[in-house]
Amino acid sequence: GQNIDQPTEMTATEGAIVQINCTYQTSGFNGLFWYQQHAGEAPTFLSYNVLDGLEEKGRFSSFLSRSKGYSYLLLKELQMKDSASYLCAVILRGAGSYQLTFGKGTKLSVIP
Amino acid sequence: DVKVTQSSRYLVKRTGEKVFLECVQDMDHENMFWYRQDPGLGLRLIYFSYDVKMKEKGDIPEGYSVSREKKERFSLILESASTNQTSMYLCASGLRGGQPQHFGDGTRLSIL
Repeated sequence: GQNIDQPTEMTATEGAIVQINCTYQTSGFNGLFWYQQHAGEAPTFLSYNVLDGLEEKGRFSSFLSRSKGYSYLLLKELQMKDSASYLCAVILRGAGSYQLTFGKGTKLSVIP
Repeated sequence: DVKVTQSSRYLVKRTGEKVFLECVQDMDHENMFWYRQDPGLGLRLIYFSYDVKMKEKGDIPEGYSVSREKKERFSLILESASTNQTSMYLCASGLRGGQPQHFGDGTRLSIL
């Protein structure tokens, strides 16, 4: 079976840095996505990692270690609008195509 | 911008009814997906399709079927709705090769 673990909830202060971890044990691996989902809205794509290392995109960075089955999303200079759920998803190769398996998501609350 | 449109934001149906959820994408994506999202369980894949008339079961296909007669449209069918199918349903589309999936706004379905 597939297993993807993320913390359920986190709280951080406006202006601070927060790191959201994701560990995975899956049968196969073809990359990892991070998505952001505000309450009542659709998930939106944040980042993609397939090779080990850090990918930086503005205030958001994502890191991957394939040998450890581990990724994190780093959010810098937190803003109130960053309050949302953050979803880690592993790309698996099926018989016909690719599919994603999602973690249960981490609900981040940013406080003043 | 990719546009994934789900036919209804909110839907209320009765137990035993046959329910159709429709999804249309405008970016000529090969892959389309249906998920349900429940508190504490995260996003779970119901079915996906990698080409017209092709479909694969996801993690929780029981009680559901799908139809993809045209590339841009992917329908989820609840053959005989039950109360445990009350949920948020999200449609997504994407290119081949594990590219990011783009989500619709979701349909909040209540089965009474």
